[in-house]
Amino acid sequence: SAVISQKPSRDICQRGTSLTIQCQVDSQVTMMFWYRQQPGQSLTLIATANQGSEATYESGFVIDKFPISRPNLTFSTLTVSNMSPEDSSIYLCSVEANNDEQYFGPGTRLTVT
Amino acid sequence: ILNVEQSPQSLHVQEGDSTNFTCSFPSSNFYALHWYRWETAKSPEALFVMTLNGDEKKKGRISATLNTKEGYSYLYIKGSQPEDSATYLCAFGRNTGNQFYFGTGTSLTVIP
Repeated sequence: SAVISQKPSRDICQRGTSLTIQCQVDSQVTMMFWYRQQPGQSLTLIATANQGSEATYESGFVIDKFPISRPNLTFSTLTVSNMSPEDSSIYLCSVEANNDEQYFGPGTRLTVT
Repeated sequence: ILNVEQSPQSLHVQEGDSTNFTCSFPSSNFYALHWYRWETAKSPEALFVMTLNGDEKKKGRISATLNTKEGYSYLYIKGSQPEDSATYLCAFGRNTGNQFYFGTGTSLTVIP
């Protein structure tokens, strides 16, 4: 299994500002994913972070709102841009293991006021 | 939109009771069904990966079954303990891509 850390663990931000969330893995992985869980909703995939190329975004999510970096095989960032209260969520990164399992970070709890 | 549903949404049981939850998912393009246990402020913890119709898996007091033809999986907890209190998530994986489709989870509270 992989050990994944995220920073920050939580934050309260004002609307209109941006927050960058970091995800660090203790081993090199090919696939890294970013999810969010809005209150009362299911975990939803935002994008797949690809090393050396642009992220692949799911329907309803765009690069301008959620820019992603993947500079190497152990690290990725997700930025939540121009935040509004609707962006208040738990944001999680995950990685895919060899057995098709996904391992998750502890999440970043974001509140936008 | 791919629908994965879990029921009940929340559950309160007494310590020592046994309980079970349901995850329903589309029966087409099935690849795998995952169960996770998610405690507040911690990472979701993988419990089971199930791929074959009729699969039954067990880890201690927790077990799961899978019916891919009718599109459901059950998670059972025998003799619930307070440390079992968590949200239990299921995730459906299709045979067309890496994406997991999650249910909204079942929140379990075990009362001592």
